[in-house]
Formats: sequence, structure tokens, C-alpha cells
Amino acid sequence: DIRLTQSPSFLSASVGDRVTITCRASQGIYNNLAWYQQMPGKAPTLLIYAASTLQTGVPSRFSGSGSGTEFTLTITSLQPDDFATYYCQHLNSYLLFGGGTKVEI
Amino acid sequence: QPHLQESGPGLVKPSETLSLVCTVSGGSTSDSSYYWGWIRQSPGRGLEWIGSISYSGTTYMNPSLRSRVTISEHTSKNQISLRLKSVTAADTAVYYCARHPGLYGGAYVDHWGQGALVTVSS
Repeated sequence: DIRLTQSPSFLSASVGDRVTITCRASQGIYNNLAWYQQMPGKAPTLLIYAASTLQTGVPSRFSGSGSGTEFTLTITSLQPDDFATYYCQHLNSYLLFGGGTKVEI
Repeated sequence: QPHLQESGPGLVKPSETLSLVCTVSGGSTSDSSYYWGWIRQSPGRGLEWIGSISYSGTTYMNPSLRSRVTISEHTSKNQISLRLKSVTAADTAVYYCARHPGLYGGAYVDHWGQGALVTVSS
């Protein structure tokens, strides 16, 4: 079974910082990866799919890269609304999520 | 833009069956372009996919839950339902209804319901 490992689990940052979150797959998954943002008490929202395709309406400060086993989500110039938890997801015949990365002030 | 709304009891007794309904507005559960699924989230288990159903009624289940889960589509009501039997405290979670354009590369969730907290307790 494929496993997704996100790092770090927690990240402290400041407004304006560049932030990078990593998601590693235990086996190669091509570009079949998505990223989500979840605010406290809310459902996740889709940021990126196919590893690097920005969902409509998502600010361009979010970007995704990678293929195979290592993927990154980058937020350039962190904004106050970006303090949240971020999840990666393997796209397959089943939906598998990573453990999450909480971005804190 | 579709709106997904979960509904059902917020408290279920151990060993009983959890039942939730997702009502879709602004979209159709019979739309062949999409799959409709259930995902749950708890502090101990994170985000866990339960299963999904296609417009044709084909279901895809998380192997770890398959023996206890039934997902159905009710086209006339534009609803998706979830039944999880023989629940325990480990099934306490927020349950989300979700839409995804497909499987494999299309298995990203582009719309989520707001979530329904279900607590399993006597």
C-alpha cells in the first residue's frame, strides 16, 4: 500500500515568508497528487491537482511541483489567510490523504 | 457551483448504524462527469476516505471499511446516502460529503460539504 508522509507536521512562519511543505510517497505516483487547505472548523478546499495545476480561483502565490515520490507545495509571501493546515492527497482509484502540515504564526 | 449539505443524527449508540444523507443543490448526482463520496476526519485518524459512488451506481470503498459501509444514490431526490453499521467510538468523526471529477487523476475533491459531526456514545 502507498503511504504519504508530509513534512514538517508543524511550521511556524510570519506574514511575508516563503513556505515550502513536502509530501513524500512510498512508491512512485507520477503526478497524481493534490493539495488542500483547511481552516479550523471548515472543510478542506482544493488548491492544486495533478501536482502543479492551480485550481480556479486559488491565488498565484500557491504553487505545486514534483513527480514520482517527492512533491512540494510552496506559498510565496505568506498572507494572514494562509495560516491553516495543508494536506496532500494521492489521486488513485481510492483517495488517500497525508497527515497534514499546520502552518502557525 | 454545487452545494453539498450533510444531514443526520449527531449521536449514535455503539453497535448501531450511522446514517447520513448528502443533499446536492446546483448540480446533479446523475451527472456522468462526477463521483460522489464520503470522507471523514477525526483527530486520531486524520482525513479518511470512506467510499464513492459513480453516476451509474458503481461503488468504490475503502477496503478497511468495506464490510460495514453502504453508499447509495437517490437520483430522484438528488441525494447520496451513507450507512455505517456496527459503529464504535473509533467512528466518531466529522463526516464530509464530497464531489470528485473521477478516479485516478480525477480523484481530487473539488467540492466539499460543510461536514457533520457524528459522535458514537451510549
